[in-house]
Amino acid sequence: DAGVIQSPRHEVTEMGQEVTLRCKPISGHNSLFWYRQTMMRGLELLIYFNNNVPIDDSGMPEDRFSAKMPNASFSTLKIQPSEPRDSAVYFCASSFTRPGLAVTPFTYNEQFFGPGTRLTVL
Amino acid sequence: EDQVTQSPEALRLQEGESSSLNCSYTVSGLRGLFWYRQDPGKGPEFLFTLYSAGEEKEKERLKATLTKKESFLHITAPKPEDSATYLCAVQDAGRRALTFGSGTRLQVQP
Repeated sequence: DAGVIQSPRHEVTEMGQEVTLRCKPISGHNSLFWYRQTMMRGLELLIYFNNNVPIDDSGMPEDRFSAKMPNASFSTLKIQPSEPRDSAVYFCASSFTRPGLAVTPFTYNEQFFGPGTRLTVL
Repeated sequence: EDQVTQSPEALRLQEGESSSLNCSYTVSGLRGLFWYRQDPGKGPEFLFTLYSAGEEKEKERLKATLTKKESFLHITAPKPEDSATYLCAVQDAGRRALTFGSGTRLQVQP
C-alpha cells in the first residue's frame, strides 16, 4: 500500500491567493482527518470525515478554510484567501472505523498520517 | 476540554542511557491514549494504543504504560536511531478525533 498521499509537498504562495491541498487516504479506510502543525500550537485537528461526511469541523479556524471529501479516495482542504498566519505543515491522516462499535474499544484509531504539505504564505 | 501535557519538552541521552517520557492528560472519559513518533519532515508514525489503566505495550526498546492520569513511554538502552519527537494523544469518549500533546524531542547521542 502506498500509504496516505498528499500533494503538493511544498507550496509557496502570496497573501490573498487561494490554496488547495489534496489528500488520498489509504484504500479501505473510511475516516479522514486534516491536521495543522506549527511550532507554537503543535498538532491541531481541523476537521474529520467519516464515510465522506464531515463529522466535526470545530477546529477549522475561520470561514477562509473549507474542506471537501467528494468520494472515499479523495479530499481537499482549501484556504481562500490565504494569510501569512496560515503558514504551517498540513497533515492528512486516515483510519478505519468499524461500523456499529460505539462504546467498546476498537482499533480504528490507528491513524496513518501522510507526509504533509508545507505551506508558506508570503 | 481535553488537555494533554508532555514532559520534558526536550531530552538528550547518551546511547544506552534509559529514561522515560511523560504524558499527563485530562479527559472526561478516556477512549484511548496513543503514542506516535515523528521524524523531521515526516508525518507522525503510530507506535501504541493504550485503552485502560494498568495496560502496557512494548515494541523493541519502547514500552508504554498507562494510569488514570498519565502515560509513560520508557526507552531502554536507546540508540541514535531512536532520536525523534514523540507525541502523545488522547481520544475522548464520543469523539473520533485525537488531541495531541506538544511532544518530547528526544536526541540520543552515540
